[in-house]
Amino acid sequence: AQSVSQHNHHVILSEAASLELGCNYSYGGTVNLFWYVQYPGQHLQLLLKYFSGDPLVKGIKGFEAEFIKSKFSFNLRKPSVQWSDTAEYFCASSGSSNTGKLIFGQGTTLQVKP
Amino acid sequence: NAGVTQTPKFQVLKTGQSMTLQCAQDMNHEYMSWYRQDPGMGLRLIHYSVGAGITDQGEVPNGYNVSRSTTEDFPLRLLSAAPSQTSVYFCASLRGQGLTGELFFGEGSRLTVL
Repeated sequence: AQSVSQHNHHVILSEAASLELGCNYSYGGTVNLFWYVQYPGQHLQLLLKYFSGDPLVKGIKGFEAEFIKSKFSFNLRKPSVQWSDTAEYFCASSGSSNTGKLIFGQGTTLQVKP
Repeated sequence: NAGVTQTPKFQVLKTGQSMTLQCAQDMNHEYMSWYRQDPGMGLRLIHYSVGAGITDQGEVPNGYNVSRSTTEDFPLRLLSAAPSQTSVYFCASLRGQGLTGELFFGEGSRLTVL
């Protein structure tokens, strides 16, 4: 069965610090990978997604993620965080058919101090 | 364009009561799904539908029932509420398959079962 694991449950950073959130998935076949963000009091929004091709994926708001197949990883990065990045971040995977059946990680709460 | 609309946003039930969480989307998406979000557990798939008249179970279907009579609507029924069903529920729809594959989430329904 597929599973997704996020290493960090709660991260606290100062503004302008660099961010890397870990995500590992377990699935031997073709996977689609996603990062979603949930700002306080809001619904989930897609940050970026990987289906195939260039393993370095760029998303909205300066976020990027790198798919490393050999490590089953899809870590999220941002060179310089802002206070407005305070949110909960979810990594998710789906099978190649991508029917909307996503498997989510536990989530990482990011708190950015001004 | 309303996207995915969920009602109610908040609900308090007593153990044993039944209720229906409504979900409607106006994007003509084939795929719809229900997730529940619990602290430290991310989002878990309850039920999903690949089109009108077709539904299937997700990871945590027990205690929930769904139907899909139209493309637009995908209600989630709690048959006999239990305190373990206290959670935030998200409905989502997916535009097709393949490269687009983005889930659109509703704003969530917070349910408390006493």
